[in-house]
Amino acid sequence: LAKTTQPISMDSYEGQEVNITCSHNNIATNDYITWYQQFPSQGPRFIIQGYKTKVTNEVASLFIPADRKSSTLSLPRVSLSDTAVYYCLRGSQGNLIFGKGTKLSVKP
Amino acid sequence: ETGVTQTPRHLVMGMTNKKSLKCEQHLGHNAMYWYKQSAKKPLELMFVYSLEERVENNSVPSRFSPECPNSSHLFLHLHTLQPEDSALYLCASSQEFMGGSPPPEQYFGPGTRLTVT
Repeated sequence: LAKTTQPISMDSYEGQEVNITCSHNNIATNDYITWYQQFPSQGPRFIIQGYKTKVTNEVASLFIPADRKSSTLSLPRVSLSDTAVYYCLRGSQGNLIFGKGTKLSVKP
Repeated sequence: ETGVTQTPRHLVMGMTNKKSLKCEQHLGHNAMYWYKQSAKKPLELMFVYSLEERVENNSVPSRFSPECPNSSHLFLHLHTLQPEDSALYLCASSQEFMGGSPPPEQYFGPGTRLTVT
């Protein structure tokens, strides 16, 4: 059974780098890894996507090792506004599986 | 604003009622999705329409019936629901699925909070 596992919650302070890891042991060859962010009373919002190695955009980096059994979302220098739930999504066409989400709390 | 709107935002219905959820996207996308989000459970993909054809139906009970009359509108018709169907129902849209390509970026609406009494 395909599963995506991530920590339930994490705490951080403003200005720190935060790394959230997602485990997807039986990832399929065609699966990509995508991360979404969700604030209360809103739908999830796309952050970043990758297949392997490292991907970086203006808000985050995504590290995927060669075996692709896990992935790590890295948020540089978080601020209070980064407090949200972060979802790891694995999948390919027609087969999308979300993790349960990691609630990140950023404190001043 | 993500360009995806959902109505109503809140809905309370009895187990014998029939109601419909509506989703509309203004992004020119060709794929639309329904998700269920319950407390303590991951987002569950219910239905996917790509180019107005249903391409995914993840063993969803028949009391949920989707309808996609065109690429901008998506409905979820509800009848004889159970209390465990109470959840946040999210709609999303994206460019269409293309074989061999990564899953397209999805744009989510704010959701409809459904309570079944």
